[in-house]
Amino acid sequence: SQQGEEDPQALSIQEGENATMNCSYKTSINNLQWYRQNSGRGLVHLILIRSNEREKHSGRLRVTLDTSKKSSSLLITASRAADTASYFCATDDGGSYIPTFGRGTSLIVHP
Amino acid sequence: DAGVIQSPRHEVTEMGQEVTLRCKPISGHDYLFWYRQTMMRGLELLIYFNNNVPIDDSGMPEDRFSAKMPNASFSTLKIQPSEPRDSAVYFCASSPRIGESSYEQYFGPGTRLTVT
Repeated sequence: SQQGEEDPQALSIQEGENATMNCSYKTSINNLQWYRQNSGRGLVHLILIRSNEREKHSGRLRVTLDTSKKSSSLLITASRAADTASYFCATDDGGSYIPTFGRGTSLIVHP
Repeated sequence: DAGVIQSPRHEVTEMGQEVTLRCKPISGHDYLFWYRQTMMRGLELLIYFNNNVPIDDSGMPEDRFSAKMPNASFSTLKIQPSEPRDSAVYFCASSPRIGESSYEQYFGPGTRLTVT
């Protein structure tokens, strides 16, 4: 099964700024998901975007998907200190629908 | 619902001992997943069940690892004998459905295992 790769590995910004994280993958997918993990906690689902969708919004989150480039981006607008966490993309392999996770982007938002 | 419940939250054991991790999925979820998270390897899928049946255990690292799901509300991951390289955070996750109408996974808080 394939594993998405997030970029950058680490991101440090000031409160109020926007944060953009990217995910690249290698083979066709059915769905792509983004999760957040706060330190010492389990992962929490943020957004699922299907292969036939190009953009989805949820509150301050915006996810785009470009299947031609096999990439996705997660934008967090007007970031807050509480957004400090690791963010993971999860992709399936186009067959089983079972997601596998990348290594994540560590986001630090300074108050 | 209380969410996915895992126990214990922390486990410290000596090399060679048997370790059993426990998980209670969200009621009504047909899929259960076991993951291992380390700094070196990230989040790895070990095994997953559908309706209590193991579907894919190709991620289980060695025969020392075994997982069971005797009923819809309980699963165990056992390591026997444990080794220091098994030290990691082990997550259980459940999902109501996987497929064309996929739903997200719901993760438990994890069990931090330290093998000395």
